[in-house]
Amino acid sequence: DQQVKQNSPSLSVQEGRISILNCDYTNSMFDYFLWYKKYPAEGPTFLISISSIKDKNEDGRFTVFLNKSAKHLSLHIVPSQPGDSAVYFCAARGYGGSQGNLIFGKGTKLSVKP
Amino acid sequence: DSGVTQTPKHLITATGQRVTLRCSPRSGDLSVYWYQQSLDQGLQFLIHYYNGEERAKGNILERFSAQQFPDLHSELNLSSLELGDSALYFCASSTTRTGSGEQFFGPGTRLTVL
Repeated sequence: DQQVKQNSPSLSVQEGRISILNCDYTNSMFDYFLWYKKYPAEGPTFLISISSIKDKNEDGRFTVFLNKSAKHLSLHIVPSQPGDSAVYFCAARGYGGSQGNLIFGKGTKLSVKP
Repeated sequence: DSGVTQTPKHLITATGQRVTLRCSPRSGDLSVYWYQQSLDQGLQFLIHYYNGEERAKGNILERFSAQQFPDLHSELNLSSLELGDSALYFCASSTTRTGSGEQFFGPGTRLTVL
């Protein structure tokens, strides 16, 4: 059973517009949620995180929203740039505090068209 | 560059063989995690070591084992290899200095079992 789900395998957006990537989870015990970006032939790169006690965290063009009642989080990228084209993974931190392992979704491939 | 190194980058071997993947964490990070990414799958957590001790196990097969050495580098040993073990294997490290415990990933080792 998948505890972290990214239901959209791909998303295409025009440069300058907003990209919204979605993620659902089933376990209420997760205490942190993270987004990673992955380019081909590279390891995932950390983007932004949010604590389960917050509902929003912003870092430059990236904002993550958390809706605990719906067990849903989203990553907004504004404005989108061609260099943002990559696979985006949503992850939730499992048990173990700051050293807990991450549970990943299957990823959403974002294509930003010039 | 995340600061996490993995060797080798690519590995091609035959069924039934045994291989060792190596990971060096970022300087100062005590935690090392191993993840497997198969085709069209998200990253699956395998095992976590903290300062030389095993902390958590995920979906790791009995044919697989890992260890973390006193200099904090880690090795993942895969034995009696099967075709289905072909995947990308990522190592990540993390620090206790940040609450969100974001993990920093190496570039991965691509294992092909023929």
